[in-house]
Amino acid sequence: GQQVMQIPQYQHVQEGEDFTTYCNSSTTLSNIQWYKQRPGGHPVFLIQLVKSGEVKKQKRLTFQFGEAKKNSSLHITATQTTDVGTYFCAGLGHGSNYQLIWGAGTKLIIKP
Amino acid sequence: NAGVMQNPRHLVRRRGQEARLRCSPMKGHSHVYWYRQLPEEGLKFMVYLQKENIIDESGMPKERFSAEFPKEGPSILRIQQVVRGDSAAYFCASSPNAEVNTEAFFGQGTRLTVV
Repeated sequence: GQQVMQIPQYQHVQEGEDFTTYCNSSTTLSNIQWYKQRPGGHPVFLIQLVKSGEVKKQKRLTFQFGEAKKNSSLHITATQTTDVGTYFCAGLGHGSNYQLIWGAGTKLIIKP
Repeated sequence: NAGVMQNPRHLVRRRGQEARLRCSPMKGHSHVYWYRQLPEEGLKFMVYLQKENIIDESGMPKERFSAEFPKEGPSILRIQQVVRGDSAAYFCASSPNAEVNTEAFFGQGTRLTVV
């Protein structure tokens, strides 16, 4: 079946360093969404990418969707303590209009 | 406009008991999705419902698990004869239409612990 692999599982950074998480799908995606989940919280929508090669920015966050629509990345510049949490990608495969396939998430840990 | 409401937030059940998890979608939303999340893992799709209809239950175990979304009232995820492996966070999300072309609104989740 369709799978979305997300790496790394964890990333420890010093405050002020950059952070990147990557998602790769086994099949072409219609779109990809990114969510953030704080410890003990629920997933909160960040953004959706639809077009091949699309790049979107939200302040210090940059989201990319690959040309083949099979991979995506989230890059955070100059991390802050408020960025702590787990970042998930979720892809919508062709042939489905509702079933998101979720990556396992990348947990961002800020080193004291 | 209240968001997606789930209750209870925390539920403790002994092995063999039944667990009932409730989800009230956002106002105006008639589509509900249930997900399960194990610790340190992503979300796994369980079931997609519209009012009075189960559209896709391919992610739900065939035994002990059932879901409904009646004409009136919240959506219910029911787990009979719970086992330790059912311990997880269960999230529901709602949307106004059938297509996931916009953000999914998640509830706070129900954290089920089976002792």
